[in-house]
Amino acid sequence: GAVVSQHPSRVICKSGTSVKIECRSLDFQATTMFWYRQFPKKSLMLMATSNEGSKATYEQGVEKDKFLINHASLTLSTLTVTSAHPEDSSFYICSARGQRNYGYTFGSGTRLTVV
Amino acid sequence: LAKTTQPISMDSYEGQEVNITCSHNNIATNDYITWYQQFPSQGPRFIIQGYKTKVTNEVASLFIPADRKSSTLSLPRVSLSDTAVYYCLVGNSGNTPLVFGKGTRLSVIA
Repeated sequence: GAVVSQHPSRVICKSGTSVKIECRSLDFQATTMFWYRQFPKKSLMLMATSNEGSKATYEQGVEKDKFLINHASLTLSTLTVTSAHPEDSSFYICSARGQRNYGYTFGSGTRLTVV
Repeated sequence: LAKTTQPISMDSYEGQEVNITCSHNNIATNDYITWYQQFPSQGPRFIIQGYKTKVTNEVASLFIPADRKSSTLSLPRVSLSDTAVYYCLVGNSGNTPLVFGKGTRLSVIA
């Protein structure tokens, strides 16, 4: 149980375009999901907390107008990188809390490359 | 959220036992200790969680002293496939996000 599916696994886009990343909880409902970003050989950095039916909470320094988060249902959160630039190239990972104490399950990640 | 400190990297030969210690001096009474494993270009994967004393599962053991200010992840007889980054996190249940430290990069050598 507690499976989180993230799609796509990798995407290449041109500068100035937008990219949407989906995060789904497959066998449980997640009122809260989390989005992380990870640069090469660095740790995961929390970007925002996604709350079902309400606005996301962004960490300091993360532009909410650039990284749009939508959590319209109990099983789906999306992260849209708007007007992407090469410096947005990174590994994006979502997470949701499952039903047990350790239930922070992570998606497999999305490798975004902006050219 | 309690801050954690781990060694940046460790090397080990195949077949050896590896112990990675994590310090969490300001752990709260209701915090659990959880370890995750991350391979390159993958999301972190849960390994083990504990509150006190010792916990063992099919892949690892977790040792927690009485004061809970540190914990040790023990990987028995590591193989090349155990080469990964290991993260120690502390926190309680609820919807607060996990905040990752720098982790320990384990390299297993043949």
